[in-house]
Amino acid sequence: DVKVTQSSRYLVKRTGEKVFLECVQDMDHENMFWYRQDPGLGLRLIYFSYDVKMKEKGDIPEGYSVSREKKERFSLILESASTNQTSMYLCASSFYRAAPGLFGSGNEQYFGPGTRLTVT
Amino acid sequence: DAKTTQPTSMDCAEGRAANLPCNHSTISGNEYVYWYRQIHSQGPQYIIHGLKNNETNEMASLIITEDRKSSTLILPHATLRDTAVYYCIASNTGGFKTIFGAGTRLFVKA
Repeated sequence: DVKVTQSSRYLVKRTGEKVFLECVQDMDHENMFWYRQDPGLGLRLIYFSYDVKMKEKGDIPEGYSVSREKKERFSLILESASTNQTSMYLCASSFYRAAPGLFGSGNEQYFGPGTRLTVT
Repeated sequence: DAKTTQPTSMDCAEGRAANLPCNHSTISGNEYVYWYRQIHSQGPQYIIHGLKNNETNEMASLIITEDRKSSTLILPHATLRDTAVYYCIASNTGGFKTIFGAGTRLFVKA
């Protein structure tokens, strides 16, 4: 079974603090993702990575950065936490099954349990 | 990714089949249909995916119409633990820009 783990289930931080959220997957997946989920807004993609040291912005990257130094680990960094970053953060990974330029089958994502971050 | 439309909520009696519809009338030929669910306070869970043919696994069955403009996820014998939000997604982007909409909130009642 695919296992995606996140460093904390619940986290409380103060405004202005630097926050690190860690995600680890054990299935040798190429792709990793960070989402945030807020009531009424659904899941929104923050950043994704398709290879070590590679990253791409998602829909809402402002205020966040990411790091992928090893294939199994993808970190989300809040440089200076703000109250509007209070949210549920979800990490996911997927196996890149198609040849470059071709997409589709088997690119299902596997999610971690989530980290509920509160910034006060 | 093609836009998908799902009912906001549905009820199902425990032990009965739950049939969750999804409309994806603008789906393109190389887009797959994926289904996920999210139980309260947990991360989404992948259920099943398909392109043209009907698919079945240990969790559910996926029926895709011949014109591929709609699909139905079937949970054959719903249990209380199947109460969750179910997301239908049409995608060919390798998951890089997967869009999770509002989904269908399924309530399974005893």
